[in-house]
Amino acid sequence: DIQMTQSPASLSASLGETVTIECRASEDIYSNLAWYQQKPGNSPQLLIYDANSLADGVPSRFSGSGSGTQYSLKINSLQSEDVASYFCQQYNNYPTFGGGTKLELK
Amino acid sequence: EMQLVESGGGLVQPNGSLKLSCAASGFTFNTYDMSWVRQSPGKGLGLVAGISIKSYNYATFYADSVKGRFTISRDDSQSMVYLQMNNMKTEDTALYYCTAGELGDWYFDFWGPGTMVTVSS
Repeated sequence: DIQMTQSPASLSASLGETVTIECRASEDIYSNLAWYQQKPGNSPQLLIYDANSLADGVPSRFSGSGSGTQYSLKINSLQSEDVASYFCQQYNNYPTFGGGTKLELK
Repeated sequence: EMQLVESGGGLVQPNGSLKLSCAASGFTFNTYDMSWVRQSPGKGLGLVAGISIKSYNYATFYADSVKGRFTISRDDSQSMVYLQMNNMKTEDTALYYCTAGELGDWYFDFWGPGTMVTVSS
């Protein structure tokens, strides 16, 4: 299976700040990458697919980028409702998830 | 509104069986790939099983850890998906989510709220 390594595991940021979360695949996944947001007590929600396509209803302050084995999720102008855990997932082969990044407010 | 609702979770003894159900509504069920994803504190998120649509002969796949023990199935007439879990192990303890994804791309557009499964004596 393809291993997905996320960093950092946790992150503290201030309102209005720009936040970046990284995800590295153990082999080339050809942009077959999704990002999810999971708020406390809720199920994950799709944010980004195909590495950089915004899912329906997702605010434009979220963006995804990357290629090959390196990908990132950026949140511009952090809002209080963005406090959550974020997970990457590859679907180039049998789908696997990253370990998650817990985002908190400073 | 798109909705997935899981049921059937609970406490089961090691080597026991449990069947999870997922009721779907608000979308064209028979055009979506369906999956079960589980989440446990120790192991994060993991895809358990997936099933494709009729035109792909309801192709299925499973995580290595559940092959031979779990079976995923779907009933398009009822917009239901199931997960039969046999010979359960303590490491199967997790919150199980039903998920739906557009055909062929195995990311998950929609998730249910989940049903908790605990395997313990």
